[in-house]
This record gives sequence, C-alpha cells and structure tokens, in this order.
Amino acid sequence: GAGVSQSPSNKVTEKGKDVELRCDPISGHTALYWYRQSLGQGLEFLIYFQGNSAPDKSGLPSDRFSAERTGGSVSTLTIQRTQQEDSAVYLCASSLAGTKSKETQYFGPGTRLLVL
Amino acid sequence: KQEVTQIPAALSVPEGENLVLNCSFTDSAIYNLQWFRQDPGKGLTSLLLIQSSQREQTSGRLNASLDKSSGRSTLYIAASQPGDSATYLCAVGLPDSNYQLIWGAGTKLIIKP
Repeated sequence: GAGVSQSPSNKVTEKGKDVELRCDPISGHTALYWYRQSLGQGLEFLIYFQGNSAPDKSGLPSDRFSAERTGGSVSTLTIQRTQQEDSAVYLCASSLAGTKSKETQYFGPGTRLLVL
Repeated sequence: KQEVTQIPAALSVPEGENLVLNCSFTDSAIYNLQWFRQDPGKGLTSLLLIQSSQREQTSGRLNASLDKSSGRSTLYIAASQPGDSATYLCAVGLPDSNYQLIWGAGTKLIIKP
C-alpha cells in the first residue's frame, strides 16, 4: 500500500513569507508526528496528533509554527514569517495507534525547506 | 535530560567488511531503542527495535545490541554492500511517553565498491 507522502518535496522561500507543508499519512493510521531535522542534527519532535485527542504541541519552537489535522487524516504544518533558521528538512510520520506499545513510526520522504 | 550521541558522524569502508556503528545515551531509564536508516529523498526506515528488557535483535545481516547499564547500543553490519550506504540513526523511547523519541544525529555510512 501507499506510504506516507509529503509535499512539496522542496520549498525555497524568502524570509518573512509563510509556508505550508502537507503530510498524507498511511490510511488507517491514527497517530501522526511532525519532526524537524536540521543539518547535522538529530530529529527534533514538533507536534503529535492522536485520533480526536488534543495534539501535543510541546515541541513547536515558537508561535510562528502551527499544525492542524483535518478529518483525522491529512495534516498541514504552517510556518509564518519564516526565518533563515527555519531552514531544515521537515519529516512527517504516522503509526497505527500511538499507544503505549510504541509501535513503529513510518516516515515520509520529507520536505526540504530553504529560507533565503 | 536524555541525550543521544552517535560517533563517528561519518564512516567509509570497503565493500565486504563487517562494521559497527555506535550509539550512546545518557540516561539508562529507557523504554526501547530503535535503529533507523535514512536514504536521501526517501525518509527513514525502521531497521530494528530493541525493548529495554532485551539485549539484542537480529535481522538478516544486521544485529543490534543494547547495554542499558553502560548507556550503549551498537549496530553490527555483516559483509557490507554498497547498498548499505545511508545515514543510520538511533532513537531512544522514553519510559514516560507513549511516542516521544530522542534521536541521535546519525552516522553517514559509505560503502566503497
């Protein structure tokens, strides 16, 4: 079946502009995660959605970052007034239930964001 | 605060060699540890998951070990092939979270034909 897809694959924007990154999780997966991977760094947790529960936004680095998940499926990560330090690869992952079993997360190919 | 370190950041070896990638973590109270492979433009793929009660897991030519007391895990790759070239990441699952993983920065592995 289809895996996690993300769009766009690459995005170049000017400082101060807003960007939207999209993630389509695996069908039937109720848990969805967003991560940021900066050059030479490990993945940084941003936000977690699980079913209809309130998302865990504890990883969002500033109020310029927001995310939503419509209909329990597609998710959009929005970065407002982008800064050069926002340049990174943004990865989305989904898992079946996000329960205490800590099942495997399936990752999309990422969106490479460059802020000039 | 849990921190995960992977050394070296990059490694280049000739095809056919056996090799070991290292991952260390600062807090031995972990739920599990996972090894992932990251290929350019293709995202991450889970390779092996070791529960905190386990000492090792094997899949094909890959063997991952876990020593919680010393805060270390190794990923052993036997008979390396050029197709093994990728970045290998380890991630630690926290005991008090259902989903949060703490990630190392990865080791970029190049297998020379």
